[in-house]
Amino acid sequence: DADVTQTPRNRITKTGKRIMLECSQTKGHDRMYWYRQDPGLGLRLIYYSFDVKDINKGEISDGYSVSRQAQAKFSLSLESAIPNQTALYFCATSDASGRPLYEQFFGPGTRLTVL
Amino acid sequence: AQKVTQAQTEISVVEKEDVTLDCVYETRDTTYYLFWYKQPPSGELVFLIRRNSFDEQNEISGRYSWNFQKSTSSFNFTITASQVVDSAVYFCALSEETSGSRLTFGEGTQLTVNP
Repeated sequence: DADVTQTPRNRITKTGKRIMLECSQTKGHDRMYWYRQDPGLGLRLIYYSFDVKDINKGEISDGYSVSRQAQAKFSLSLESAIPNQTALYFCATSDASGRPLYEQFFGPGTRLTVL
Repeated sequence: AQKVTQAQTEISVVEKEDVTLDCVYETRDTTYYLFWYKQPPSGELVFLIRRNSFDEQNEISGRYSWNFQKSTSSFNFTITASQVVDSAVYFCALSEETSGSRLTFGEGTQLTVNP
């Protein structure tokens, strides 16, 4: 089984709808991240969490919110989806205390289309 | 602030040619990590290499090699004798020690290897 899973893998929704993307990990890592990928822009950090009680905004957090329900789960919500949030979304994890430091492990991605 | 630039948006080569993907980074930290990831057409991110700022030794792994030069803030990636399966988007990324393992990605380089 994959260490970092994302659900759903693909989602088509309409403008104004609320949508949640979920991420689960079995690696036992304390740090989790959400990125979005747009063509020509690489991956950009939306939110990150260093533990269940520590959640921080990344460079493009507007229009998004997150919830760290447990060490292993980190959800990303779009309260009112808009077309320019159409992108590929990645969840990632890292271990603050283990080796190798600073390496992130990525989920398979969620392709979101907002019509 | 950290920044990664991959000036080559797209590269197209013929199979068996050598190809170098450029990566230039900016950071004020003395301790940082550099990464390369591969994203094949299926969309997942595949980790290729991690380098810390104190290790400037070049690395070779099969047909892949990496040239890290702190003097020019570059971390270039060369594929020798390219193959069609090397066709993918390649991302360079940087993590500063003070950023708590957050990654900053370059824009990515789309490599197409033609038969």
